[in-house]
Amino acid sequence: AQTVTQSQPEMSVQEAETVTLSCTYDTSESDYYLFWYKQPPSRQMILVIRQEAYKQQNATENRFSVNFQKAAKSFSLKISDSQLGDAAMYFCAYRADNTDKLIFGTGTRLQVFP
Amino acid sequence: NAGVMQNPRHLVRRRGQEARLRCSPMKGHSHVYWYRQLPEEGLKFMVYLQKENIIDESGMPKERFSAEFPKEGPSILRIQQVVRGDSAAYFCASNRAGGYEQYFGPGTRLTVT
Repeated sequence: AQTVTQSQPEMSVQEAETVTLSCTYDTSESDYYLFWYKQPPSRQMILVIRQEAYKQQNATENRFSVNFQKAAKSFSLKISDSQLGDAAMYFCAYRADNTDKLIFGTGTRLQVFP
Repeated sequence: NAGVMQNPRHLVRRRGQEARLRCSPMKGHSHVYWYRQLPEEGLKFMVYLQKENIIDESGMPKERFSAEFPKEGPSILRIQQVVRGDSAAYFCASNRAGGYEQYFGPGTRLTVT
């Protein structure tokens, strides 16, 4: 069975600094998709970034980038120039190509200090 | 372009009552997913529906829970005879055929007293 593990329950960063959130997953599939979702206090789930497993190039969206290591089954999220509005729960999620459901990790709570 | 709509946002039910949660997907989206988030946990998949069809209900509890997505109108997640353990946030997501990203609604927080 596929699983997603986020080993950091909480992280903190100072405003304008960089922080990396870890995610590992377990799968026997070769084709899949990985996602990072942000859940602020409003609890709305917001898609931050996505990565297709067949792409070797790491995805980037403005201040957010990933380090995708397929062999190691690792998918970390780097937030550069952190802002107060980045404070939220961050969830890593996996989806196999032959299914439609998302499998989520348990989340990392990110605090941003001024 | 309106996003995924869910209502109500908050629902309080006494033990034994029924809860009905509604989800209207984004315009142009024909696939709907329901997830449940227990306190301090990640989201867990419940069911995946297309119009008038349940595609995958592997995450649905066997009893008391049902879901539908009729030809017209929103998708409904129905919980009969609610118990305290059903208290959670229920999220709906949608995408279009062939799309692999899912877009989430704001969730419904169900409290069972």
